Amino acid sequence: DTGVSQDPRHKITKRGQNVTFRCDPISEHNRLYWYRQTLGQGPEFLTYFQNEAQLEKSRLLSDRFSAERPKGSFSTLEIQRTEQGDSAMYLCASSLFSGLNTEAFFGQGTRLTVV
Amino acid sequence: GQQVMQIPQYQHVQEGEDFTTYCNSSTTLSNIQWYKQRPGGHPVFLIQLVKSGEVKKQKRLTFQFGEAKKNSSLHITATQTTDVGTYFCAAARNQAGTALIFGKGTTLSVSS
Repeated sequence: DTGVSQDPRHKITKRGQNVTFRCDPISEHNRLYWYRQTLGQGPEFLTYFQNEAQLEKSRLLSDRFSAERPKGSFSTLEIQRTEQGDSAMYLCASSLFSGLNTEAFFGQGTRLTVV
Repeated sequence: GQQVMQIPQYQHVQEGEDFTTYCNSSTTLSNIQWYKQRPGGHPVFLIQLVKSGEVKKQKRLTFQFGEAKKNSSLHITATQTTDVGTYFCAAARNQAGTALIFGKGTTLSVSS
């Protein structure tokens, strides 16, 4: 297992277009998180899954954002009608939860630029 | 919602000096984690603290969890240039596993 992988690594899109990112977590991990990070800030929580169930979604998250984790394996994050303010690094992380929080392993991220 | 506040936001030290970053919460935390992010990299897990008053050491790094489980600190003794990066604390409201919320981080720069 090579860790958490994200695809693509970079995405440039025009304002108003839809984009979709993919995250492949570490195979035995049941939890998968999506975060957004802008320069000089910490990772901002977007949503997370335990297996295929989406357990929590940030109240700050626009309706333009949606995430799925079919079959509890890989996950996709879609942003519809992108805006310039969506430009950021989108980080995926996975962990193995068994009653206690454990360390989260992060992917390299997808850097989105909306022009 | 839950927030964890980190101070300072930036810290510059001379190589060999010590460094400390603090993480504070207004609510009691079930546990706290610390991560390091190198420039251009992604966050990498350092440690998790669970018990009230817990102290853990990793070589030159000392991590503490407050008695009330509302604050934590990371102390680096005799900094080296390899310590450069941003240090984040992250916490969840409860062990049932609400989302892991990150602080804004403390960026450490070290000059030789």
